[in-house]
Amino acid sequence: KAGVTQTPRYLIKTRGQQVTLSCSPISGHRSVSWYQQTPGQGLQFLFEYFSETQRNKGNFPGRFSGRQFSNSRSEMNVSTLELGDSALYLCASSPEGAGYTFGSGTRLTVV
Amino acid sequence: AQRVTQPEKLLSVFKGAPVELKCNYSYSGSPELFWYVQYSRQRLQLLLRHISRESIKGFTADLNKGETSFHLKKPFAQEEDSAMYYCALSANGGSNYKLTFGKGTLLTVNP
Repeated sequence: KAGVTQTPRYLIKTRGQQVTLSCSPISGHRSVSWYQQTPGQGLQFLFEYFSETQRNKGNFPGRFSGRQFSNSRSEMNVSTLELGDSALYLCASSPEGAGYTFGSGTRLTVV
Repeated sequence: AQRVTQPEKLLSVFKGAPVELKCNYSYSGSPELFWYVQYSRQRLQLLLRHISRESIKGFTADLNKGETSFHLKKPFAQEEDSAMYYCALSANGGSNYKLTFGKGTLLTVNP
């Protein structure tokens, strides 16, 4: 069974640009969550989707957004990138919304 | 609001010694607690979930609601246990679909 797949693995963007990250959950998993991991703040929750509906959202500015498609694949978008957005972005999936399986992440560097 | 505290950033033990990684939480409702592990250059993996009451790779963890703790224990540490360990909490028995992570403890098991 394939795991959680995140693309791309690495990204370098310039301040002010926008970026879209993609996540394919484990087959059959309908819950997808996103987390930001940084050395200073650790792992922080961004948002969670289930059947295309956002069920919970973390304390991030509106520049961070996400969506989920009917096949459970999810994307997150960050607009007007700032240097502080440099981080490892992790996607996780679960059948029902707990006991998540994580992907390898997308490492975003903003220069 | 919920909070997870892992008081030790670093923990170093010798092979064969007992190990205990501490986790305390702050949440007044019904929590669901997890331990995740991240080995070097690998993705974050679910190690234990308190409702499962399993022993994985020799590790156990008991939820102590009186002390609001969920410490991870192993009687005899092995070198392959060296990794970063994260304690995580999901509120409302998991129904808020969000994991709150501690900052992690880096365990080093010396030969």
